[in-house]
Amino acid sequence: DIVVTQSPDSLAVSLGERATINCKTSQNVLYSSNSKNYLGWYQQKPGQPPKLLIYWASTRESGVPDRFSGSGSGTDFTLTISSLQAEDVAVYYCHDYFGTPWAFGQGTKVEIK
Amino acid sequence: EVQLLESGGGLVHPGTSLRLSCAATGFTFSNYAMTWVRQAPGKGLEWVSSITDSGSNTYYADSVKGRFTISRDNSKSSLYLQMNSLRAEDTAIYYCAKYIIAGTPPDYWGQGTLVTVSS
Repeated sequence: DIVVTQSPDSLAVSLGERATINCKTSQNVLYSSNSKNYLGWYQQKPGQPPKLLIYWASTRESGVPDRFSGSGSGTDFTLTISSLQAEDVAVYYCHDYFGTPWAFGQGTKVEIK
Repeated sequence: EVQLLESGGGLVHPGTSLRLSCAATGFTFSNYAMTWVRQAPGKGLEWVSSITDSGSNTYYADSVKGRFTISRDNSKSSLYLQMNSLRAEDTAIYYCAKYIIAGTPPDYWGQGTLVTVSS
């Protein structure tokens, strides 16, 4: 089974500054037949369900602000918030959907410094 | 507007059963695979089970295999999770979510229903 590990567990960033979250999978999630990385990113605010931000490692979901971007391939991935806004305070999860069992990272809590 | 509304949660004793439901509106339910993901209080997300659009294939996490059963009724646009032999470690918010096909992530989640297993 794939294990997904995020770093850091939490970070505090000043408004307008960049936030970077890393995600590492224990196995390659790049599917060679279609060259897609089966890796997504979710945002979860307190008391709310997760919201899909990024899929295929770098494709932004419809309606997601362009300050959110995803990158990486294979086993190493990054979510970047280019200019942190107050409404971005949340826990962020990366998610491997390469095959069952699905796996989620442990989450990264983003706060305002 | 897409809506997923979970129900059926509550406080139950260890060893008992509970059936969760998820009512779907705003999209063609029978065209989507569905999944249950849970979140223990203050913890991260844990995948529980998934079912294909037709219901012909089901998948389970090892932690619930043999105790939980996922099912769906496309005529009622509803998803279910039958949970038997409940344990304290099953205590969590249970979310239902939809995804288009295998190999895609859930793109919309319900608000969740809380299951508490305690004596």
